[in-house]
Amino acid sequence: KNQVEQSPQSLIILEGKNCTLQCNYTVSPFSNLRWYKQDTGRGPVSLTIMTFSENTKSNGRYTATLDADTKQSSLHITASQLSDSASYICVVTDRGDYKLSFGAGTTVTVRA
Amino acid sequence: EPEVTQTPSHQVTQMGQEVILRCVPISNHLYFYWYRQILGQKVEFLVSFYNNEISEKSEIFDDQFSVERPDGSNFTLKIRSTKLEDSAMYFCASSEDGVSYNEQFFGPGTRLTVL
Repeated sequence: KNQVEQSPQSLIILEGKNCTLQCNYTVSPFSNLRWYKQDTGRGPVSLTIMTFSENTKSNGRYTATLDADTKQSSLHITASQLSDSASYICVVTDRGDYKLSFGAGTTVTVRA
Repeated sequence: EPEVTQTPSHQVTQMGQEVILRCVPISNHLYFYWYRQILGQKVEFLVSFYNNEISEKSEIFDDQFSVERPDGSNFTLKIRSTKLEDSAMYFCASSEDGVSYNEQFFGPGTRLTVL
């Protein structure tokens, strides 16, 4: 069964600090991995997408990494801002049926 | 920038009642999806829709659920007889085509509360 596990479940950081979120997956065959940001009460918005051959992708202060051999990904947030407070969801696409498998998300709270 | 819209933003209904959740996908997109997220849980796939028919559905999408594209713009999810456990956020999404690399754009969601 395809699974996506994220850690930590939640974290609190001070404004300006960095943090790293983790994602492990068992989805096979693998097509791509996305990190989404979901603000409270809103739909997920894509931050990055990586395919099998890509091991890092940046979008502003967000940098995602992918190790397809160990089936692990991370999302690094640099110089956090209050607006970064949200849930960050790791989503992996199955190359066979194109279905998305969602992680439970990591809730990030940035405090001033 | 084009976006997926959903109405209503919040729907409260009595158990056993029918509800219809509405979505307007991005205009040039061909694939449409419904997902749900029970409070505090993962987003779960319900159904995908292409060329006026269901292309995939999950175990959750039983006979109580149906989807329709009644005209050229709206995409609806109907729950015939709501149960308490149907209370969740329901997200509509659309993509240009069905290939795995294409991003699915999500709407803001409809919060369904079944009393």
